Amino acid sequence: EVQLVESGGGLVQPGRSLKLSCVASGFTFNNYWMTWIRQAPGKGLEWVASITNTGGSTYYPDSVKGRFTISRDNAKSTLYLQMNSLRSEDTATYYCTRDYYSAPFDYWGQGVMVTVSS
Amino acid sequence: DVVLTQTPVSLLISLGGQASISCRSSQSLVHSNGNTYLHWYLQKPGQSPQLLIYQVSNRFSGIPDRFSGSGSGTDFTLKISRVEPEDLGVYYCLQRTHNPRTFGGGTKLELK
Repeated sequence: EVQLVESGGGLVQPGRSLKLSCVASGFTFNNYWMTWIRQAPGKGLEWVASITNTGGSTYYPDSVKGRFTISRDNAKSTLYLQMNSLRSEDTATYYCTRDYYSAPFDYWGQGVMVTVSS
Repeated sequence: DVVLTQTPVSLLISLGGQASISCRSSQSLVHSNGNTYLHWYLQKPGQSPQLLIYQVSNRFSGIPDRFSGSGSGTDFTLKISRVEPEDLGVYYCLQRTHNPRTFGGGTKLELK
């Protein structure tokens, strides 16, 4: 059974940093791209970051480029999201997803809440 | 960026009825390789989203045949027949043909 378990969320002040983790199990982690998606309270879904299966390439939308860094440790089957210079608009639930090109985001974690507020 | 416009925003359906959700794209979603990367997700209340349909019309594992997807180019439709209580929630379309990937704004399916 595929499982994705996120951790690391919480309350953080604007301008500070936070690092999210996602531990994967139930599939061969290093065969898949992985992606973070977020959802602001009461809002829709927004793609945040993607990483290739080897970790050799990463992709971001303009809204987080230069502030967020996605990475992975294939030996630990773990995905990360380093979030720097956090803003109030980054407040959201962050989901870790498995990313298969033809059927993207086929499995999702339970989500982790990040609140950016002073 | 590609804009996906979902209509309606909200849909009231009776149990056993049929629902139809439209997703219109600001650009053609036909990739240069000939595939169309338009997908559908359902987020049930209090849960993470789940994949329903990938590449326009392919049901994901475990998704009942009450769910069907169709369309081409810029116009796509998700149909849900014989609506059941577990079908309620917010439906999203996603395009992966163009970068960045973008989601539609969502359609909330509620019981009449």
